[in-house]
Amino acid sequence: QKEVEQNSGPLSVPEGAIASLNCTYSDRGSQSFFWYRQYSGKSPELIMSIYSNGDKEDGRFTAQLNKASQYVSLLIRDSQPSDSATYLCAVNTNAGKSTFGDGTTLTVKP
Amino acid sequence: DAGVIQSPRHEVTEMGQEVTLRCKPISGHDYLFWYRQTMMRGLELLIYFNNNVPIDDSGMPEDRFSAKMPNASFSTLKIQPSEPRDSAVYFCASSLGTAGGEKLFFGSGTQLSVL
Repeated sequence: QKEVEQNSGPLSVPEGAIASLNCTYSDRGSQSFFWYRQYSGKSPELIMSIYSNGDKEDGRFTAQLNKASQYVSLLIRDSQPSDSATYLCAVNTNAGKSTFGDGTTLTVKP
Repeated sequence: DAGVIQSPRHEVTEMGQEVTLRCKPISGHDYLFWYRQTMMRGLELLIYFNNNVPIDDSGMPEDRFSAKMPNASFSTLKIQPSEPRDSAVYFCASSLGTAGGEKLFFGSGTQLSVL
């Protein structure tokens, strides 16, 4: 079993819709959770971090964490074509060390 | 701040040659990471340093790979001898560790092609 697993995708949504990206992790000792966005040919950039159970909202993005279920999700409201990218879930089990999922590629169609 | 700086951006070499990738982390960041990204294996952690000291090199694929961090502002990843299966994008990233919430800041990457 991989340490961090994401929906295999690709995921396609129409412009204005909600995109839902999911991630599960295997280590119950994980403390920090991140979502990175990676445009084709570019490096990953952090868009959300979450450390405690519940929801965290930042603009059109909402991260959700459920440690009991070992589950992290990212919701993108009012999806825009510029949101089309690969979204990487990252989990930290030890201080400073991030393990990444394989990513979910999102396409937002105008 | 200029962010994490990597060089070269692209490297094309022949099998058996030595390859050296370079990284300058963000000033003040005390963690530095080397990742490799391929379509097949995704983003894999190769090695990371804390305060210039290697902490975990369990991701280094084999003895052909080595990494150093002689000071807080410079790190190298060396492959000797290189093989075609080493072709990938190599990213360097830095962070403030737990003090900064462990958020990673990535460089632009080095696209390595071994022919």
